[in-house]
Amino acid sequence: GQNIDQPTEMTATEGAIVQINCTYQTSGFNGLFWYQQHAGEAPTFLSYNVLDGLEEKGRFSSFLSRSKGYSYLLLKELQMKDSASYLCAVRRWGDDKIIFGKGTRLHILP
Amino acid sequence: EPEVTQTPSHQVTQMGQEVILRCVPISNHLYFYWYRQILGQKVEFLVSFYNNEISEKSEIFDDQFSVERPDGSNFTLKIRSTKLEDSAMYFCASRRTVTSGANVLTFGAGSRLTVL
Repeated sequence: GQNIDQPTEMTATEGAIVQINCTYQTSGFNGLFWYQQHAGEAPTFLSYNVLDGLEEKGRFSSFLSRSKGYSYLLLKELQMKDSASYLCAVRRWGDDKIIFGKGTRLHILP
Repeated sequence: EPEVTQTPSHQVTQMGQEVILRCVPISNHLYFYWYRQILGQKVEFLVSFYNNEISEKSEIFDDQFSVERPDGSNFTLKIRSTKLEDSAMYFCASRRTVTSGANVLTFGAGSRLTVL
């Protein structure tokens, strides 16, 4: 099976930086995704990692260590609109689907 | 930007009734999915569909559920006899190809099902 762990909730201040961690255990790992989900809305794609290292996309960066089964999403220059849930999801070789963790609800304070 | 569209946005039904949720995936996408999210819980995989047949399904997707691609554009999820525990947001998703790379799933806005 697969196991994906993320903190349930985090709080950060507008303009600051926050790091959301995700650990996973799975066989046949073939990629890790981060999605953003505002309350009552669909998940929207943020980033994808399959090799070790950092992927940067504007204010958002995602890091992967395959040997440690660990990823983080780094959000810089936080804005109020970044208040949302951040979902870590994993794909395995041969699977069509991705499996989501429970998500981390991020609260941004002014 | 191309998007996945879902109807209805919200449906209220009585327990035991049949429900059909509809989705129009992105036009050049080949893989289609249904996920659900019970309020306050995680997004759960239900079923994937490729080349006019189910390619994978979860334990949740029992005999009460079925999927169909009745024409070249629609992708439907049918629940034959709804139960209270089927109340959830149902998300349709699609992706383009089987080749390597990000191969991102694009989600629709969801259909909220309330079973009374």
